[in-house]
Amino acid sequence: DAKTTQPNSMESNEEEPVHLPCNHSTISGTDYIHWYRQLPSQGPEYVIHGLTSNVNNRMASLAIAEDRKSSTLILHRATLRDAAVYYCTLSGTYKYIFGTGTRLKVLA
Amino acid sequence: DTEVTQTPKHLVMGMTNKKSLKCEQHMGHRAMYWYKQKAKKPPELMFVYSYEKLSINESVPSRFSPECPNSSLLNLHLHALQPEDSALYLCASSQVGEKLFFGSGTQLSVL
Repeated sequence: DAKTTQPNSMESNEEEPVHLPCNHSTISGTDYIHWYRQLPSQGPEYVIHGLTSNVNNRMASLAIAEDRKSSTLILHRATLRDAAVYYCTLSGTYKYIFGTGTRLKVLA
Repeated sequence: DTEVTQTPKHLVMGMTNKKSLKCEQHMGHRAMYWYKQKAKKPPELMFVYSYEKLSINESVPSRFSPECPNSSLLNLHLHALQPEDSALYLCASSQVGEKLFFGSGTQLSVL
């Protein structure tokens, strides 16, 4: 199974953009890149996903490197409610393998 | 309805007990999943059901027995668990190959 590598923790000031990196050098050609976030005492929540092209939705943007060996989740304006553990995940048809996650701290 | 409902929210059991965790979704998803999550660790995949058939078993010990009675329900039967099995057990569902929807989990303590 392909694996992902993420920094253990990151900090951001409120209202500033946040770039969360993920390395997945062993990704296969058919694996999608998903991002989920998890608040304390809750299950993970879907944020965004993509295959090759950059993706935008109301929560975030996903930038995927041309060789697909890395990706970056971009939160355009961090709020206190964005403080969570963010997981970069590779998915085959049924197998979603979670990386170790980045704990994001947002400073007021 | 975009919820995955898990019951119970908390469970304490002895090593000789038999208990079951339940998961329900009404989104018409045909794939359902069990994950195990230890504190400060990522979720680990245990089982995947697709169209009510077991598709993936990640070499999970036989003391964990999954069951998918119909397309909306997923159970995890527990028997003779060990203290190291204490964890948060998460259920998820999805359309095949699409984003996962997670429940809030069952916090299991094995004494």
